[in-house]
Amino acid sequence: QKEVEQDPGPLSVPEGAIVSLNCTYSNSAFQYFMWYRQYSRKGPELLMYTYSSGNKEDGRFTAQVDKSSKYISLFIRDSQPSDSATYLCAMKITGGGNKLTFGTGTQLKVEL
Amino acid sequence: GAVVSQHPSRVICKSGTSVKIECRSLDFQATTMFWYRQFPKKSLMLMATSNEGSKATYEQGVEKDKFLINHASLTLSTLTVTSAHPEDSSFYICSASAQANTGELFFGEGSRLTVL
Repeated sequence: QKEVEQDPGPLSVPEGAIVSLNCTYSNSAFQYFMWYRQYSRKGPELLMYTYSSGNKEDGRFTAQVDKSSKYISLFIRDSQPSDSATYLCAMKITGGGNKLTFGTGTQLKVEL
Repeated sequence: GAVVSQHPSRVICKSGTSVKIECRSLDFQATTMFWYRQFPKKSLMLMATSNEGSKATYEQGVEKDKFLINHASLTLSTLTVTSAHPEDSSFYICSASAQANTGELFFGEGSRLTVL
């Protein structure tokens, strides 16, 4: 079993839809949770960063962490074609330096 | 956010030659940088952790003699792919953090290596 599981997609939605992206994990020691967006042939870009459980909102993006279920989510409201990219979840343990464990990424396409 | 610059963005080389990729933190100092390899439609695979002033820490299965990492200063790390072969063709990405232990990493733009 992988430490971090993420549905690779592809996920195709119409413009304006609410997108839900998810990851599950097995290591209960993970405390820091991140979402990165990666456009084709580019490096990942940090979107959201949360510590422990709870919600965090930034514009059209909301990150949720449920540590009891070992489940994290990223919601994108009013999705735009420019949101079309691969979304990677990542997480780390306390005291693990800055070494992250990544999911495989979900490819999202927002269509006009 | 912090800026990490990676160069070159694309390189094509002949089999048997060596290629150097640079990773620079432009507006912050990074005591630790990370090097990843990414295959098409796959996630990032951590290759090694680059520590300023000391030897890199390689992940299991990564050949340290093939992938030479040097972290000469707080703003520069280099990855040299030695005696490159076609199977080394991949997308190589570096990352760095402005603060230790936060997990908040900033990534370079990546370098596409093609070995003929």
